[in-house]
Amino acid sequence: EAAVTQSPRNKVTVTGGNVTLSCRQTNSHNYMYWYRQDTGHGLRLIHYSYGAGNLQIGDVPDGYKATRTTQEDFFLLLELASPSQTSLYFCASSDGTGRVDTQYFGPGTRLLVL
Amino acid sequence: AQKVTQTQTSISVMEKTTVTMDCVYETQDSSYFLFWYKQTASGEIVFLIRQDSYKKENATVGHYSLNFQKPKSSIGLIITATQIEDSAVYFCAMKGAGGYKVVFGSGTRLLVSP
Repeated sequence: EAAVTQSPRNKVTVTGGNVTLSCRQTNSHNYMYWYRQDTGHGLRLIHYSYGAGNLQIGDVPDGYKATRTTQEDFFLLLELASPSQTSLYFCASSDGTGRVDTQYFGPGTRLLVL
Repeated sequence: AQKVTQTQTSISVMEKTTVTMDCVYETQDSSYFLFWYKQTASGEIVFLIRQDSYKKENATVGHYSLNFQKPKSSIGLIITATQIEDSAVYFCAMKGAGGYKVVFGSGTRLLVSP
């Protein structure tokens, strides 16, 4: 059973459109992360959270909002999508309680903004 | 600010040989953790191995091992007896001991040929 799931897996929208990417983890982890992956840049952190209601800003937050509604659910919102946000988005979770903090990744969501 | 650099964009090797992937990092933290992750052709990202900065011994897991050179801020990944299924993109990452943000390198693509 996959411990981190993402939906949708693929999304096409138009410039100016409204998009919500969803992530759910069943690892009972405290921390959840949103990354975008682009050729030549690796994984870049957009937002992260250490619990329901909490939000921390990552390295590339412009144009993105996020909300953590429960320990399990973390959403990424693009309210006015732009072509520069075309990317592969990954959600991840980690326990954040110990020293290890290995990240567990979801399968990714491929977003195309036309 | 932390930074992780992988200068090798792609490496090609023959099956059953040994390969080393380079990674250098920058941090102001006195204690930190270094990770390697693998992204398979299907896009799945999985944790491989980690090194704690305060440990002098190089970590080893299966046919993966690390070459940790702290004075050079370097953490190389060594794969011995490579297999076709080792073909993937490998990401180096780091996390400060006191934080929960993980910084990734841009990745190295490994192709293992028969």
